Amino acid sequence: GDSVTQMEGPVTLSEEAFLTINCTYTATGYPSLFWYVQYPGEGLQLLLKATKADDKGSNKGFEATYRKETTSFHLEKGSVQVSDSAVYFCALRSGGGADGLTFGKGTHLIIQP
Amino acid sequence: DAGITQSPRHKVTETGTPVTLRCHQTENHRYMYWYRQDPGHGLRLIHYSYGVKDTDKGEVSDGYSVSRSKTEDFLLTLESATSSQTSVYFCAISERESRDEQFFGPGTRLTVL
Repeated sequence: GDSVTQMEGPVTLSEEAFLTINCTYTATGYPSLFWYVQYPGEGLQLLLKATKADDKGSNKGFEATYRKETTSFHLEKGSVQVSDSAVYFCALRSGGGADGLTFGKGTHLIIQP
Repeated sequence: DAGITQSPRHKVTETGTPVTLRCHQTENHRYMYWYRQDPGHGLRLIHYSYGVKDTDKGEVSDGYSVSRSKTEDFLLTLESATSSQTSVYFCAISERESRDEQFFGPGTRLTVL
């Protein structure tokens, strides 16, 4: 079946540092890939997405590129802020039906001033 | 933000009692989902619906049932709550099937004593 693997953390960085959160996946067919962010006490918000190989999703300074050859969708940001502290989830959705998303376990990111 | 509300937002109940959680959407989306979020597991799909009165099981459906009598409402019922069902429950909606993003509600924190 489908699966998503990501580092769980916590990942602690200083403000203005470069961020990479690794995400790799196993899926049948050609999935869409997503990054969601969850701030404390809130639901999940869609951060960015990519629907086919070599697509780059971007939003709020975050980027991720759909790499089919390495089955990866790593999240990056050039300069993080304290307000980026949250839990980040990598997820996929395979084609062919109304099934839900398959999520990684989440990466807790802590940004220190 | 997608128009999704969940009720109640917090609930404490005792083992063996029935519990119903409600998800309400104002987006007229066809597809609705229930997930549970637990530490170390990310989010896991419980049940989903692809139309009024059309539902199917997800990865962790044992002990849960759902109903959808109107497009806008999707109910999750725990017939006899157990401590292992203590979790945060999220509802999600999607306009289209197959590889499309989902939008999440604010969540319901359920504690079963």
